[in-house]
Parts: sequence; C-alpha cells; structure tokens
Amino acid sequence: EAGVAQSPRYKIIEKRQSVAFWCNPISGHATLYWYQQILGQGPKLLIQFQNNGVVDDSQLPKDRFSAERLKGVDSTLKIQPAKLEDSAVYLCASSPSVEETQYFGPGTRLLVL
Amino acid sequence: GEDVEQSLFLSVREGDSSVINCTYTDSSSTYLYWYKQEPGAGLQLLTYIFSNMDMKQDQRLTVLLNKKDKHLSLRIADTQTGDSAIYFCAETVNDYKLSFGAGTTVTVRA
Repeated sequence: EAGVAQSPRYKIIEKRQSVAFWCNPISGHATLYWYQQILGQGPKLLIQFQNNGVVDDSQLPKDRFSAERLKGVDSTLKIQPAKLEDSAVYLCASSPSVEETQYFGPGTRLLVL
Repeated sequence: GEDVEQSLFLSVREGDSSVINCTYTDSSSTYLYWYKQEPGAGLQLLTYIFSNMDMKQDQRLTVLLNKKDKHLSLRIADTQTGDSAIYFCAETVNDYKLSFGAGTTVTVRA
C-alpha cells in the first residue's frame, strides 16, 4: 500500500513570496491533516479535513495560510505571503477516519530567506 | 510550551536498552502514541497503547502507561544504530486530535 505522498520535498523562497505544497493521502483515507513542525519542536496541527470539508482550522493563520481539498482526495496548502517564521517542515497525514491512527508523509521542508 | 513533555536527549550504548519517558496532560486521552522521525523523514508510527491498558509489547518495543501519574514510557530492547532518531510521544485530545511532545533525540553509540 502506498503511503502519504508530498511534494515538493524542499523549497527555498524569499519572504513575501508565495508557496504551495501538495499532499496525496493513502487511498481511501477520509481524514487529512496538515501539520507545521518548527525545528526542535513537535508537529502542530494547522488544519484537519474530513473528506472535502474542514473540521478544524483554528490554528491556521488565515491571513496568510489557506488549504483546500476540493475532491476529498488530494490537498494543497498555500502560504501567501511567506514570513521568515514560516520556515519549518510541513507534514501531511491521513487516517481512515478521525478516530483512527494517523499516517504521515515525508514532509516538505520550507526555508524562507 | 508543550502540554506533552519529554526529555530532550538520550544517549545509549549499542545493545543496551533505551527508555524514553513522557508525561501528558489530558486524563481523557483515548490513545497514546509513539512516533519515530529519522533525519529528513516524516513521522513513522512505532506503536500505540489504548488508555485502558497498562502495558503493550511489540517485538523490541515495550510501552508502559501509568494513568494515575499520566506517565508513558517506551523501552527499546537491544538498541541498534538504526534506532538513532527523534522519538515523539503524542496524546489524543479533543475529538482524537494529536498533541505532540517536543521529541527525544536518541543517539546510539558503538
């Protein structure tokens, strides 16, 4: 069974630029999560989708971050404009349902200069 | 700060046992998880324990749960160089969301 796929794996941008990350969850997983992991910290939840609907986006900085999962499968996370403090690893995870174990992708490492 | 607390570093000799400790905050947590993160990689699920269990063993891994003290530990028997990684403890809070600790960096020395 293929795992959670993410791209790109690495991205370097300058502050105030825009960036987008893509996630393809495990086939059949209804729940999809985006996490931000700052160096030296554990992952923190940004947004949770159930199929194509948002369940929780309370920790998403909505002035600059947006995410969508239009067809209930793939998801994109966008940052516009980026700030220096957005430098982090962005992890996507999926689970068959909200109560079940989450499986993580390899992450996208973002460096904002 | 983190609600889930872990010691930051652990150094262990190859072949010895490693014990990673974690304290959590939500007494209603249904599941508690251990994830492993190798350099440049995502989080790999190692094991989990249901809150009504005290212990779970899975090959070289033993998880102990003390609900009274809200303490979780992961023991790795016969630690190998491939076990060098960051280990994250996570509890389920509010509708099964995961709250992670800051991670324990385990270094295995020859």
